[in-house]
Amino acid sequence: EDQVTQSPEALRLQEGESSSLNCSYTVSGLRGLFWYRQDPGKGPEFLFTLYSAGEEKEKERLKATLTKKESFLHITAPKPEDSATYLCAVKSGGSYIPTFGRGTSLIVHP
Amino acid sequence: NAGVMQNPRHLVRRRGQEARLRCSPMKGHSHVYWYRQLPEEGLKFMVYLQKENIIDESGMPKERFSAEFPKEGPSILRIQQVVRGDSAAYFCASSRDSTYEQYFGPGTRLTVT
Repeated sequence: EDQVTQSPEALRLQEGESSSLNCSYTVSGLRGLFWYRQDPGKGPEFLFTLYSAGEEKEKERLKATLTKKESFLHITAPKPEDSATYLCAVKSGGSYIPTFGRGTSLIVHP
Repeated sequence: NAGVMQNPRHLVRRRGQEARLRCSPMKGHSHVYWYRQLPEEGLKFMVYLQKENIIDESGMPKERFSAEFPKEGPSILRIQQVVRGDSAAYFCASSRDSTYEQYFGPGTRLTVT
């Protein structure tokens, strides 16, 4: 059974204070690792897909990286508008359905 | 480009009534997924459908819940005889096919009184 663990559960940063969110996973045959952002009262917004160890993707202040056991979402010089819950999900070769982690709640203080 | 659309956004039902949640996938997407999310909990998969077919309903309760995705029109998640425990946010997602990322709608927040 695929498993996804995100840490920390909650993270408070000052504006401009860079940090990383972790997503550890156990799957049999990774078919894709997905990062989403979810604002309160809204649906998850797709950010990135990573397929193989060593792959990196960037979007504005966010950078996602992938190893064989975990993924990191690096946030550089965050702004208050980056405050949200960040969700990680994995899809294995044996399933059509991604398994989601419980998310990291990020709050960036001005 | 219109994203995934869900309606209604908010739905209030009394115990024992029926709830119907609708989802229109993104243009060009023929795969639809339904999830349930409770406060402080993660997204829980319910059912995966393609046009006129249920591919995987392993996450959907056997009783009172049903889903369809007809040849024409939106996908519908139907909850019969709702109970207070059904109160949650229900999200629909769509994808081009099962290998691609999913795009989510804004959700329907169901409240059972």
